Amino acid sequence: ETGVTQSPTHLIKTRGQQVTLRCSSQSGHNTVSWYQQALGQGPQFIFQYYREEENGRGNFPPRFSGLQFPNYSSELNVNALELDDSALYLCASSPEGANTGELFFGEGSRLTVL
Amino acid sequence: GNSVTQMEGPVTLSEEAFLTINCTYTATGYPSLFWYVQYPGEGLQLLLKATKADDKGSNKGFEATYRKETTSFHLEKGSVQVSDSAVYFCARLDSNYQLIWGAGTKLIIKP
Repeated sequence: ETGVTQSPTHLIKTRGQQVTLRCSSQSGHNTVSWYQQALGQGPQFIFQYYREEENGRGNFPPRFSGLQFPNYSSELNVNALELDDSALYLCASSPEGANTGELFFGEGSRLTVL
Repeated sequence: GNSVTQMEGPVTLSEEAFLTINCTYTATGYPSLFWYVQYPGEGLQLLLKATKADDKGSNKGFEATYRKETTSFHLEKGSVQVSDSAVYFCARLDSNYQLIWGAGTKLIIKP
């Protein structure tokens, strides 16, 4: 069974640039959630995708967008990067119809915005 | 508001000491409660959970009891090991089935 994998693991961007982060969900999982974790803080929910549709969104501006593909992998896109976007971005997957809070996380993509 | 508050770290203990990490929550109703753990260099993983009042979640020697009277879900372990060194996160499930997280507590166990 393959776990959740994310890429890239680290990246550095400058203000105003755009970034795309990728996530492969765990085998058999069709729901993917994205979280932002600032240094020393708990994760903050960005949005969730279920069967290629956005299925819930946290308090993040529209420049944070995402996609889910037919194989249930997902992308997080952030436009017009700001310094405060520097964080660890976590992807988590969960099985069909599971709204239990039991998530399976990847190791994250650490984004630094200069 | 709706939030999760856990004790600030780092918490530094000697091996075989008793551990308590406090967690309290505010919410409408009785949400499911969780402890997740983040070991160095690894992703977050579920440690234990409780879905209703008075439930006790347990795993790997860790326990937490859902106390609705005190809106708490404190994490305990009777005898910690160096391998327990990690960051521990308390979380609750909101009405939209998303997790609301505490800020995390770093635990350092010294041999």
